[in-house]
Amino acid sequence: DTGVSQNPRHKITKRGQNVTFRCDPISEHNRLYWYRQTLGQGPEFLTYFQNEAQLEKSRLLSDRFSAERPKGSFSTLEIQRTEQGDSAMYLCASSLPVDTQYFGPGTRLTVL
Amino acid sequence: AQKVTQAQTEISVVEKEDVTLDCVYETRDTTYYLFWYKQPPSGELVFLIRRNSFDEQNEISGRYSWNFQKSTSSFNFTITASQVVDSAVYFCALSEAGSNDYKLSFGAGTTVTVRA
Repeated sequence: DTGVSQNPRHKITKRGQNVTFRCDPISEHNRLYWYRQTLGQGPEFLTYFQNEAQLEKSRLLSDRFSAERPKGSFSTLEIQRTEQGDSAMYLCASSLPVDTQYFGPGTRLTVL
Repeated sequence: AQKVTQAQTEISVVEKEDVTLDCVYETRDTTYYLFWYKQPPSGELVFLIRRNSFDEQNEISGRYSWNFQKSTSSFNFTITASQVVDSAVYFCALSEAGSNDYKLSFGAGTTVTVRA
């Protein structure tokens, strides 16, 4: 039984570049969540999917951010025109409805 | 408004000491869930426990125990006879049934350092 996986684990990019992260949830989980964690803080909710439908987006998710879950399995989070303020750990979690969320190892983004 | 408050930023103990982490939450929902997660230096959030709002029974799992008190909106976590491997950041989190999204609201975390 594999857990949640995320790729890449680390990403260093220059300001203004686009980046894309991937999350593979636990196979039977139909809910998938994205969170962002900055240094010294707890994770903050960004968005979530139930199957392929994106049901909620946080105000933290600016127009430069987009997330997809095309077939209700893996999800991608894209950031366009990255800014230094986007530097953070991006965490993905999956769950069954009304159940515990299990987290992946995260993707650490550094924007230079 | 901050829904979960972890007042202790850092705690340092010597191995074998007990350590208690405080968590105070705020919600208007009658149905909600409380969690503790551990984040070791590797960065992955590891699930420790989940309690629902209707179950105030305290729980013990090995060296870990949890004290849930609705009267004071607290869900505290105690590590008994701490070990170096317990060094990590610990997060308390809340999810509310009313919104149907069950997204987690995290506290700022408490960094626990256990010295040999």
